[in-house]
Amino acid sequence: GAGVSQTPSNKVTEKGKYVELRCDPISGHTALYWYRQSLGQGPEFLIYFQGTGAADDSGLPNDRFFAVRPEGSVSTLKIQRTERGDSAVYLCASSPQGEDGYTFGSGTRLTVV
Amino acid sequence: EDQVTQSPEALRLQEGESSSLNCSYTVSGLRGLFWYRQDPGKGPEFLFTLYSAGEEKEKERLKATLTKKESFLHITAPKPEDSATYLCAVNAGNNRKLIWGLGTSLAVNP
Repeated sequence: GAGVSQTPSNKVTEKGKYVELRCDPISGHTALYWYRQSLGQGPEFLIYFQGTGAADDSGLPNDRFFAVRPEGSVSTLKIQRTERGDSAVYLCASSPQGEDGYTFGSGTRLTVV
Repeated sequence: EDQVTQSPEALRLQEGESSSLNCSYTVSGLRGLFWYRQDPGKGPEFLFTLYSAGEEKEKERLKATLTKKESFLHITAPKPEDSATYLCAVNAGNNRKLIWGLGTSLAVNP
């Protein structure tokens, strides 16, 4: 597709469960970013990939959060032992190398009950 | 600490009533200031990047300007379809993560 695709669009999970959120960036975009956004807040940086490697993972809140991008395209954000405080919209964005303007997906709304 | 503050939090305009949104920032070394538009249930949509004081960019009814302390997003003769939340973000330092403001929620009444 022409844009950044995120699946699922909505995910409800029970506290303590494991979840995976998928991001399919724009074809050819080497940079991929994960942010999360709570209601009424701006996005909060989680992790940035350049190609297959995590160039900056300083925003991951703790070791329950992990992200991979094994082939330099699709990325998966993995959250273990989910907590109610993890509830938010998780946004993925991509950009061509060297360009600053990201293209965001519509996000995955995660609700931990 | 790097910080981005947007004002006002919310703004209601009549169609055709021009106004400006403000983004003030405190960063150790600005590498770029970004404006995005966000509609409900959607991810932010990129509008502009500004890199140095004095720079201006325009797109349709929107014009973004930058000084050493703040940026303005001027909206000329807005239409109802301009209603959205406008987010400002900065890139500071040697990484590519953005620091975001809380946004200005704009409503344009017909």
